[in-house]
Amino acid sequence: GQQLNQSPQSMFIQEGEDVSMNCTSSSIFNTWLWYKQDPGEGPVLLIALYKAGELTSNGRLTAQFGITRKDSFLNISASIPSDVGIYFCAGAYGNNRLAFGKGNQVVVIP
Amino acid sequence: EAGVTQSPTHLIKTRGQQATLRCSPISGHTSVYWYQQALGLGLQFLLWYDEGEERNRGNFPPRFSGRQFPNYSSELNVNALELEDSALYLCASSLVTDTQYFGPGTRLTVL
Repeated sequence: GQQLNQSPQSMFIQEGEDVSMNCTSSSIFNTWLWYKQDPGEGPVLLIALYKAGELTSNGRLTAQFGITRKDSFLNISASIPSDVGIYFCAGAYGNNRLAFGKGNQVVVIP
Repeated sequence: EAGVTQSPTHLIKTRGQQATLRCSPISGHTSVYWYQQALGLGLQFLLWYDEGEERNRGNFPPRFSGRQFPNYSSELNVNALELEDSALYLCASSLVTDTQYFGPGTRLTVL
């Protein structure tokens, strides 16, 4: 199956700081998705990217679909305590299949 | 608009029993996907149903099965439960795009 490398695996940030995370692969994807998951709950879709080079914002979140179609990044600006959680990237390939990164645990220190 | 719903929230079974998990997709969505999220293992694709048919299957044994009903809701059945089946089972739905929306999950515990 397709492999996604998500980095960093965890990060501790001060409230108010910006945070960036990446997702890379050796494979090409048609769509990049970013999800946030709180403990014991289902992933919530944050941003969907459909075209190479696309840059999309959703409030304090900004994500980009890499030009090579093999990577994507997510930025969170001015972090707040409720940003804590696990952030997953997902790449769509083939016939409605998604490959997932292992997630990035974000901890916001007040 | 209601999101993806799943029931039950929690399910406790013993080894060898059968478990049935249910999912209702977002209204208008025809595709339903099932994933297993075991502790520390990330999201593992189980099954994809669309228009009542099984379209794809992940690398899981046949005792994991399911179906999709005419109203597009879906059921996941796990037979002969094993301890390692304990996990959060997530259902997602989509329309025609690749974008999948997840439900809150069912926590299955096998004792």
